[in-house]
Amino acid sequence: DAGVIQSPRHEVTEMGQEVTLRCKPISGHNSLFWYRQTMMRGLELLIYFNNNVPIDDSGMPEDRFSAKMPNASFSTLKIQPSEPRDSAVYFCASSSLGPYNTDTQYFGPGTRLTVL
Amino acid sequence: KNEVEQSPQNLTAQEGEFITINCSYSVGISALHWLQQHPGGGIVSLFMLSSGKKKHGRLIATINIQEKHSSLHITASHPRDSAVYICAAQETSGSRLTFGEGTQLTVNP
Repeated sequence: DAGVIQSPRHEVTEMGQEVTLRCKPISGHNSLFWYRQTMMRGLELLIYFNNNVPIDDSGMPEDRFSAKMPNASFSTLKIQPSEPRDSAVYFCASSSLGPYNTDTQYFGPGTRLTVL
Repeated sequence: KNEVEQSPQNLTAQEGEFITINCSYSVGISALHWLQQHPGGGIVSLFMLSSGKKKHGRLIATINIQEKHSSLHITASHPRDSAVYICAAQETSGSRLTFGEGTQLTVNP
């Protein structure tokens, strides 16, 4: 398996622009997580899905952020409009059990976002 | 006070030394995860444990549920072990992970 795939790997954009990050989880995994990592705050959970349904979005910073999972093999994280403080590395991870079970999470390589 | 705290924040060792990284948490958990973040930024899951001890090669992870404490040990450390090690508590109410700040480990040859 190719592992969790994220695109793009790097994104540089200007303040006010819309940014869309993409994630393809490992085939057969039914939980998907979006994380953000910054120097100041470390790793933070933004949102996670189980069976394509958002379970916990309490980490989404504000209305400018939205995430969707239209099917089991694809998810997007959108920022509109983007701001310089959104600059971070965004990780997607997937795992294979239900929302209240424990299982190893497999991380994608991350998308490094820079908002100028 | 963070819900998950790690110590030390930075650790420098000589090749071959035995290394211990500690993690304390204040929330109820269903599991405790140890992750490794390589210098290039990639994150790898090392262990997920809810009790006792797990071993994988030179890495050992232990957890004491009563004391809400976990340790990651590296035996016979090697320069390629240099990375950031992150512990994360998985809450009992779901799959949410709360992360520690990470421990930057540098192993010198």
